[in-house]
Amino acid sequence: DVKVTQSSRYLVKRTGEKVFLECVQDMDHENMFWYRQDPGLGLRLIYFSYDVKMKEKGDIPEGYSVSREKKERFSLILESASTNQTSMYLCASSLTHEKLFFGSGTQLSVL
Amino acid sequence: SQQGEEDPQALSIQEGENATMNCSYKTSINNLQWYRQNSGRGLVHLILIRSNEREKHSGRLRVTLDTSKKSSSLLITASRAADTASYFCATKGLTGGGNKLTFGTGTQLKVEL
Repeated sequence: DVKVTQSSRYLVKRTGEKVFLECVQDMDHENMFWYRQDPGLGLRLIYFSYDVKMKEKGDIPEGYSVSREKKERFSLILESASTNQTSMYLCASSLTHEKLFFGSGTQLSVL
Repeated sequence: SQQGEEDPQALSIQEGENATMNCSYKTSINNLQWYRQNSGRGLVHLILIRSNEREKHSGRLRVTLDTSKKSSSLLITASRAADTASYFCATKGLTGGGNKLTFGTGTQLKVEL
């Protein structure tokens, strides 16, 4: 089975801190995604990557950046965390657009 | 922007009953998928239906797609307490966007004993 691992289950950070969320997949998938999930808003796409060093903005990229130096790892970076970035962050990977495999999520609280 | 909107937002039924949830979307699609999310966890893929298909089955799941109405429904038959979860539809657009999916806001299903 595909495994998508997110480095932290819960994370608490202070406003203004630089935050790194790490995601690793073990199935050699080209595509990787970062979503955030907020009550009543569903999942919203932040960034995605279809190859190493390639990235594309999703629907809500402001305040975020990403890094994909290796195929299996996709990092989400909050350059200067703000309270409105408190959310559940979900990483996913896929071979095609036909099935996404998700990690367990990181619940980030910015105080 | 959100592509899918699920209806109802929340649904509570008794074990053994059928659960139906609906998804509407705005633009033409390549395929539509349904995912399940247990509380506080990641999403799990359930079923995919392509734009040229009208109905698909997988175990106790039945999905229909009406492209003329831009809507889909997910039916879970003979529900169990373990089906308690949130259910999301996700769409893959026809053009551009790479391999990204756009998710709806979800239906929270509670199955009571």
